[in-house]
Amino acid sequence: GIQVEQSPPDLILQEGANSTLRCNFSDSVNNLQWFHQNPWGQLINLFYIPSGTKQNGRLSATTVATERYSLLYISSSQTTDSGVYFCAGGGNTGNQFYFGTGTSLTVIP
Amino acid sequence: GAGVSQSPSNKVTEKGKDVELRCDPISGHTALYWYRQSLGQGLEFLIYFQGNSAPDKSGLPSDRFSAERTGGSVSTLTIQRTQQEDSAVYLCASSLFTAGGPYEQYFGPGTRLTVT
Repeated sequence: GIQVEQSPPDLILQEGANSTLRCNFSDSVNNLQWFHQNPWGQLINLFYIPSGTKQNGRLSATTVATERYSLLYISSSQTTDSGVYFCAGGGNTGNQFYFGTGTSLTVIP
Repeated sequence: GAGVSQSPSNKVTEKGKDVELRCDPISGHTALYWYRQSLGQGLEFLIYFQGNSAPDKSGLPSDRFSAERTGGSVSTLTIQRTQQEDSAVYLCASSLFTAGGPYEQYFGPGTRLTVT
């Protein structure tokens, strides 16, 4: 299967700081998504981004499909941004959707 | 519109008992996934349904696990003879299916299973 590596595994930020989370895939993926898992366990869709760049408020994401990585940018972080961020994507064969082990973000006031 | 719903939200069962977990996907979504998330871990793919096609069961960890999807909508994941290592959060997701394959997935709130 496809290996998904996320970095950093843990991140502590002061409120207002910016950060970049990275996701590397061992093989080409499609349907790449970023999720935020809140403290109650709900997975919230952030971006569907197979390629290119998207922005949504303080968050933006860039996927470079040819180099098999994606970046999630969080600007002016808030305490509500705390949680675990996952990236995931599907392989070009089969139906599996592969998740990284996540980046655990803590934003302190 | 309604999102993906799952029931029960929590289930505590004794080792050896069977359990059924239910998923109601978003209306119109023909693709449906089941995942398992152990404490502090990422998500592990279990099974995939698309329309009337045969399901992809390649992620099921043992023959104690099975799933069905009736009428192309509601899905039930069944775990027989539960073991303590089955304790996890079971998540369901659904998506549209396009010519290019499954599209963006949307997740339910999960069922937290505890086997005592």
